[in-house]
Amino acid sequence: SAVISQKPSRDICQRGTSLTIQCQVDSQVTMMFWYRQQPGQSLTLIATANQGSEATYESGFVIDKFPISRPNLTFSTLTVSNMSPEDSSIYLCSVREDSLNTEAFFGQGTRLTVV
Amino acid sequence: AQSVSQHNHHVILSEAASLELGCNYSYGGTVNLFWYVQYPGQHLQLLLKYFSGDPLVKGIKGFEAEFIKSKFSFNLRKPSVQWSDTAEYFCAVNARGNNRLAFGKGNQVVVIP
Repeated sequence: SAVISQKPSRDICQRGTSLTIQCQVDSQVTMMFWYRQQPGQSLTLIATANQGSEATYESGFVIDKFPISRPNLTFSTLTVSNMSPEDSSIYLCSVREDSLNTEAFFGQGTRLTVV
Repeated sequence: AQSVSQHNHHVILSEAASLELGCNYSYGGTVNLFWYVQYPGQHLQLLLKYFSGDPLVKGIKGFEAEFIKSKFSFNLRKPSVQWSDTAEYFCAVNARGNNRLAFGKGNQVVVIP
């Protein structure tokens, strides 16, 4: 299993600013994922962040808005840029071991409110 | 791309009642199936998973799920719920060989003592 720590756990930000969310894992993992969970909605995958390569973004998400760093096998950051109230959401970091038939582990999430 | 449907988003029931949450997915190939639970104020935790073998899967806390391939379903069940089962439950699917998980919208379950 993997233990994931996210920082900050919550924040209230002014529109137009940016927030960087950190994800720290207690073991080395190849695959890291960033999800968004909007109120009353399911988890939506933003991007896959594998170490040593550019992040792969899902449809509807772009690097300029959600830049991601993955400097090593235990750490990643997601930045929410030029925020608007529509970005208010819970952002979740997730990891999976690099083999078939494994489960995903999740951080506790970052609750972001944009005012 | 696979998609996941969960119905009856809000479920309220009394302790000792039986619980069944439906999950249907749309993908024609081989899949891995999961149920995750999120207790109030906590992170998502794995309840149970299916990769292959016996389609009736037993998970933690008395939960089980049955994979019915012909119905593209993976329904979650618990014969007798407790107040501590109050949580949000998410069904998730990934196509075999693709590690990107697709989630359903979740079921908010409230168990009344």
